[in-house]
Amino acid sequence: DSGVTQTPKHLITATGQRVTLRCSPRSGDLSVYWYQQSLDQGLQFLIQYYNGEERAKGNILERFSAQQFPDLHSELNLSSLELGDSALYFCASSLRTNSPLHFGNGTRLTVT
Amino acid sequence: SQELEQSPQSLIVQEGKNLTINCTSSKTLYGLYWYKQKYGEGLIFLMMLQKGGEEKSHEKITAKLDEKKQQSSLHITASQPSHAGIYLCGADNLGVYGGSQGNLIFGKGTKLSVKP
Repeated sequence: DSGVTQTPKHLITATGQRVTLRCSPRSGDLSVYWYQQSLDQGLQFLIQYYNGEERAKGNILERFSAQQFPDLHSELNLSSLELGDSALYFCASSLRTNSPLHFGNGTRLTVT
Repeated sequence: SQELEQSPQSLIVQEGKNLTINCTSSKTLYGLYWYKQKYGEGLIFLMMLQKGGEEKSHEKITAKLDEKKQQSSLHITASQPSHAGIYLCGADNLGVYGGSQGNLIFGKGTKLSVKP
């Protein structure tokens, strides 16, 4: 058990809808990262937060947004969903930069 | 942008055999991380390498970092069915000017199957 908790485990929704994915980092970790994993693209970095502030952005679409709250949990919001957004979404946390990332078990999103 | 290439893409070995997975970076490696993933599950951290020539072992898995070649290898000795899964290498994401961005990029993974 990595200590990173993601909810829900599975999510099935229709195109055009909006969903929110939630992540609780390991106790003590200030950094939270979101990744998207699909069969063709592999594991893609979306966005990183450190102690409530956005630290780095990767290949995150404008339809997607995220935030980290004062209690350090994070939410990833996906809107105007398309079929191509179907993927595994992972949250990871770390104590500091250049330390290992610890991953949650992911949220499997299916857009129909 | 920095890219990590893993080889082979997939591997089927007989239980008890040794195997090696390689990870090659398009840029200098400052930090290299190995993870294991079971299908549809989260990534499990295995090892982190930071210095050229560094070698680390955990149970029957050994990882080495060859900084000059911008490459790392993961070697499994006497493979077991429990070793099956997808192995991913990750590296510190370097920006345009070579500084760490604070997040990791990943290779596409090597799928390992171990036949009993």
